[in-house]
Amino acid sequence: DGGITQSPKYLFRKEGQNVTLSCEQNLNHDAMYWYRQDPGQGLRLIYYSQIVNDFQKGDIAEGYSVSREKKESFPLTVTSAQKNPTAFYLCASSFAELAKNIQYFGAGTRLSVL
Amino acid sequence: AQKVTQAQTEISVVEKEDVTLDCVYETRDTTYYLFWYKQPPSGELVFLIRRNSFDEQNEISGRYSWNFQKSTSSFNFTITASQVVDSAVYFCALSEVEGSGTYKYIFGTGTRLKVLA
Repeated sequence: DGGITQSPKYLFRKEGQNVTLSCEQNLNHDAMYWYRQDPGQGLRLIYYSQIVNDFQKGDIAEGYSVSREKKESFPLTVTSAQKNPTAFYLCASSFAELAKNIQYFGAGTRLSVL
Repeated sequence: AQKVTQAQTEISVVEKEDVTLDCVYETRDTTYYLFWYKQPPSGELVFLIRRNSFDEQNEISGRYSWNFQKSTSSFNFTITASQVVDSAVYFCALSEVEGSGTYKYIFGTGTRLKVLA
């Protein structure tokens, strides 16, 4: 089955710790995205990537980092610089980055701070 | 600047009632796309419909229908004869091409629909 797999489903971060959220897709999509979802605020774009080895900051990139070494994978690291990391994180992918393209989403990772 | 407003934070209806979810958008571009996504309790967003700015025809898909009106910058979503399985958060989104050739989705804050048996 084609789709987007995010892991883990739940993640806990200790003070000062970096944590990495995994996102893998087998849809052969070129573009991948990371969003943060907070209650009552909709989805906000953190980072996106159009092709391998290239990525751009979204609206709220501070305290986060990404890599795109493979087409299928776009991991997100929440660094210790992100002071308020508790949120629901969604990964998405689409064909080449065009305004009309539909984005397909994973089931999300819920990150909490211990 | 782009903006998408979903003024209804939460709506509760009894099963079999019709319900309309409102979406109002702002954009200065003439070419743009509008989307509706459903987020069930499982968490992943599921695509429902896409509309481009040049196609104002209303669309019906089973119990779902969409009303796109450029004159009022609205793209409303109606569920007819609602069912408990329709309970979810629904997001409206706008996408347009920016000057650099890139684009960005702007999501509304979502409307939580609760359908009571």
